[in-house]
Amino acid sequence: KQEVTQIPAALSVPEGENLVLNCSFTDSAIYNLQWFRQDPGKGLTSLLLIQSSQREQTSGRLNASLDKSSGRSTLYIAASQPGDSATYLCAVTGANNLFFGTGTRLTVIP
Amino acid sequence: GAVVSQHPSWVICKSGTSVKIECRSLDFQATTMFWYRQFPKQSLMLMATSNEGSKATYEQGVEKDKFLINHASLTLSTLTVTSAHPEDSSFYICSVPKGGGITEAFFGQGTRLTVV
Repeated sequence: KQEVTQIPAALSVPEGENLVLNCSFTDSAIYNLQWFRQDPGKGLTSLLLIQSSQREQTSGRLNASLDKSSGRSTLYIAASQPGDSATYLCAVTGANNLFFGTGTRLTVIP
Repeated sequence: GAVVSQHPSWVICKSGTSVKIECRSLDFQATTMFWYRQFPKQSLMLMATSNEGSKATYEQGVEKDKFLINHASLTLSTLTVTSAHPEDSSFYICSVPKGGGITEAFFGQGTRLTVV
């Protein structure tokens, strides 16, 4: 069964700092990997989607990489802002299911 | 604007009562919707796949008689937690796939259920 792990569980950084969130998964047979943002009282917001054949995707200050063979993905956030504070989830897509990690709670301190 | 509307966003109910959560697809028709739940400090887990006009497909370990799913129209799926107990307290969220599969989906805002 696919297991998705996110490290660290929580992270606090001062505003302006670059940071990296990590995601690892046990079964490399995936269709794609997604990074989501979860804000309290709001639904999940999809940030980046990396297909299994791709190695990275970029959107604004966000860059996500995928190393399928090693079962790892990273989400790089450049020049962090207080508005980036949220829980970040990674999810891998199997045949019939999305497998979510437990999330990293990010706090960006002004 | 929101593509998927989930209601209510939070609810507190007494043990033994039933709670209905609605998931509406606002912009397009959806023959399939997905229901997830997330216990504290745990990952989101797929509970069931809601199929318009037919029975829902439940994941292993999810009691179909306790979590009733009705997908009566192409824009509405409901999840009813019957005879709720404190251990059912969780965050429930629905998603509507953009395409035919489970990936690339729009998510509702979630429902925080607290059973006292």
